[in-house]
Amino acid sequence: KNEVEQSPQNLTAQEGEFITINCSYSVGISALHWLQQHPGGGIVSLFMLSSGKKKHGRLIATINIQEKHSSLHITASHPRDSAVYICAVSLTGNQFYFGTGTSLTVIP
Amino acid sequence: ETGVTQSPTHLIKTRGQQVTLRCSSQSGHNTVSWYQQALGQGPQFIFQYYREEENGRGNFPPRFSGLQFPNYSSELNVNALELDDSALYLCASSPPGLAGTQYFGPGTRLLVL
Repeated sequence: KNEVEQSPQNLTAQEGEFITINCSYSVGISALHWLQQHPGGGIVSLFMLSSGKKKHGRLIATINIQEKHSSLHITASHPRDSAVYICAVSLTGNQFYFGTGTSLTVIP
Repeated sequence: ETGVTQSPTHLIKTRGQQVTLRCSSQSGHNTVSWYQQALGQGPQFIFQYYREEENGRGNFPPRFSGLQFPNYSSELNVNALELDDSALYLCASSPPGLAGTQYFGPGTRLLVL
């Protein structure tokens, strides 16, 4: 069983749609991270959360520590948002555990 | 400021061979972590180095080993390569005091034939 589970695995949306990607984890964490990975492998850190909610442009990330659940929302989605979105948790001791990712395709 | 760089970008090896992958951390970052990402999977933690010492290890066999140098650059060595070692190997560096914040390199794609 993975320590981090994401859903959905694949997502196709029309440009302009509101998108939600979910992440659940089963371990005690020091922080949760949302990452974006483009084809070819490069990973960009979007958010690091330990509580509440963060917003950056059209991206919003929320976390519920009690429920061990986080969501990444994309408002007014655009084709350039097409990428794999990965949820990762960091534990005390600096170990990271990653979900398998959600592959998002936004169609014009 | 230069970000995290990795070399080589791509590599093909045969089963049983040994490979060394290299990572230059972002300037001032003293912690480097290595991850293996198989196709269609999320990255798996291999190990982390902090100030030249191993500072945590994931569930990988001893044939995966590493080094960190005084300038905080790092190497990942894999001996006796197996077909299942084919993957994207990612390196990430963290600034002092912020080990939970990681900056990823572009990765090295290894194919074992």
